Amino acid sequence: DARVTQTPRHKVTEMGQEVTMRCQPILGHNTVFWYRQTMMQGLELLAYFRNRAPLDDSGMPKDRFSAEMPDATLATLKIQPSEPRDSAVYFCASGLVLGGFHNEQFFGPGTRLTVL
Amino acid sequence: GNSVTQMEGPVTLSEEAFLTINCTYTATGYPSLFWYVQYPGEGLQLLLKATKADDKGSNKGFEATYRKETTSFHLEKGSVQVSDSAVYFCALSDRGATNKLIFGTGTLLAVQP
Repeated sequence: DARVTQTPRHKVTEMGQEVTMRCQPILGHNTVFWYRQTMMQGLELLAYFRNRAPLDDSGMPKDRFSAEMPDATLATLKIQPSEPRDSAVYFCASGLVLGGFHNEQFFGPGTRLTVL
Repeated sequence: GNSVTQMEGPVTLSEEAFLTINCTYTATGYPSLFWYVQYPGEGLQLLLKATKADDKGSNKGFEATYRKETTSFHLEKGSVQVSDSAVYFCALSDRGATNKLIFGTGTLLAVQP
């Protein structure tokens, strides 16, 4: 049963520390998305990739956030330095786009980040 | 630009009641439409989808019909169960190369025994 995996599932850190979240998309998917979910803002798209190339990261605070895909099996989201307002659940999702036909996105279980 | 509007929650129902969660959209062209569900402590899961006008998506007793004339994709279920308690998100996928999803704000459903 193919699924998106994310690590860690929970992370508690102190303000100013670097945080790295990892995602393994479903094998064969060619798009990867990072979302952030909070009670106040709901679900926000931070960045997305197609064929490992970043297509849009306009939803991401550039000064402290960075997203990469070192290879097709790994996507990373880094926050440096972290701040208490970054506390949220971060979801990774992957999907397959073929010839403009839109299949659904498959979400991982999320990383719950708490910045003290 | 493209957007999705869904009814605010929480929606509180008794078990076996009829459920409707309204969703309307604004889009250029012909988007695909989706309902996702998020159970407590989990990620979003696809519940159902429709890719063209008049299509009906269905799954686990839930249904939604793609209505182009009213730009709507309302979610319905004839008899809800306690296990249906979750947050429901309506979403559309813009036609293009990105497969980007645009989500509504989510509607919390609480079903009481």
